[in-house]
Amino acid sequence: ETGVTQSPTHLIKTRGQQVTLRCSSQSGHNTVSWYQQALGQGPQFIFQYYREEENGRGNFPPRFSGLQFPNYSSELNVNALELDDSALYLCASSPEISEEAFFGQGTRLTVV
Amino acid sequence: RKEVEQDPGPFNVPEGATVAFNCTYSNSASQSFFWYRQDCRKEPKLLMSVYSSGNEDGRFTAQLNRASQYISLLIRDSKLSDSATYLCVVHQAGTALIFGKGTTLSVSS
Repeated sequence: ETGVTQSPTHLIKTRGQQVTLRCSSQSGHNTVSWYQQALGQGPQFIFQYYREEENGRGNFPPRFSGLQFPNYSSELNVNALELDDSALYLCASSPEISEEAFFGQGTRLTVV
Repeated sequence: RKEVEQDPGPFNVPEGATVAFNCTYSNSASQSFFWYRQDCRKEPKLLMSVYSSGNEDGRFTAQLNRASQYISLLIRDSKLSDSATYLCVVHQAGTALIFGKGTTLSVSS
């Protein structure tokens, strides 16, 4: 196991609702990245946090937001959920920005 | 053009076969390269890093050609347990990992 834990593992939400996903990074890791993986696709980069600051963002709308806490755990928030937001959301932590990333088991979000 | 492109799958091979996956990337500033393995409904896991000199780990061999911006993965003597999706991944300094769409391998007995 990687030591990266995500919660919840599964979630069903209604279109228009808001959701918060959580990630606990591996001990000693200060970088957390979030990815969205739709069915049949590779993971798509949402954003990255390094020492509590956003350090890059992929091509996702502003309703996708996040933060990183002093203990380097992180949250991903999605507002105004759309059906296309249904996906596996993956969190990955690294000791530093450019080092190997370790993934959590993911949160499977279904929007109905 | 996608940043990372992989062979379309799926690859269906018998046990013992040799199979090769190819991948190209568009950003010449990419610095690190990886192959990840992803089992059905699981998280991606690092299979191996890829270096210009090539590297081998048991039955798996990875190659990088920076001039052609091309990455490959060779699996020899395929096992049933090799059945998975293989993701080509590149990394540019100061950014997160960029994944290809993945290629599905199915090894049958």
